[in-house]
Amino acid sequence: AQSVTQLDSQVPVFEEAPVELRCNYSSSVSVYLFWYVQYPNQGLQLLLKYLSGSTLVESINGFEAEFNKSQTSFHLRKPSVHISDTAEYFCAVSGEKLVFGKGTKLTVNP
Amino acid sequence: DSGVTQTPKHLITATGQRVTLRCSPRSGDLSVYWYQQSLDQGLQFLIQYYNGEERAKGNILERFSAQQFPDLHSELNLSSLELGDSALYFCASSPTGGTPDTQYFGPGTRLTVL
Repeated sequence: AQSVTQLDSQVPVFEEAPVELRCNYSSSVSVYLFWYVQYPNQGLQLLLKYLSGSTLVESINGFEAEFNKSQTSFHLRKPSVHISDTAEYFCAVSGEKLVFGKGTKLTVNP
Repeated sequence: DSGVTQTPKHLITATGQRVTLRCSPRSGDLSVYWYQQSLDQGLQFLIQYYNGEERAKGNILERFSAQQFPDLHSELNLSSLELGDSALYFCASSPTGGTPDTQYFGPGTRLTVL
């Protein structure tokens, strides 16, 4: 069975500060890893994904995540956040099916 | 805009009633997924269809059922509604239904059971 743990339910940061949203997973099969973002009153949208190859994956809006097999982690990072990054972020693992973590609410304050 | 449409956007109904939620997938996508999002349970996978056939089942209650029609749109039927069924219901679609697929989510239907 697969599972995803997002270690922080809420992360408040100031604008232009760096941020890391943590995600650990467990799976008995090969996995694909995803980060989805949900802006207020919207559906989820894909931020980035790891399927194979380079363990560092990047999104178009400056986020990056690193797949670490030995630590079973896929943490999401951004070196400098903006107010517009305020949203809920979901880590997900896909083996037999897509399983989501409980989400991390990122609040960027001015 | 993901290209996935869901109707209605909001639904308010009473306990014991039955409702139908509708989803149209992105053009070309063959697979449809239904999810329930609530504050206490988070995002829960309910069921997946691929080209009209049920492919995977998650935490879907027996009071709930779904189908995917020949034109690939899908409906989620919720019956004998309880207060605890109040939640956001999302539909997502993907091209092949395989596990590496990106799922594209609709805007959701907010169901309130009074």
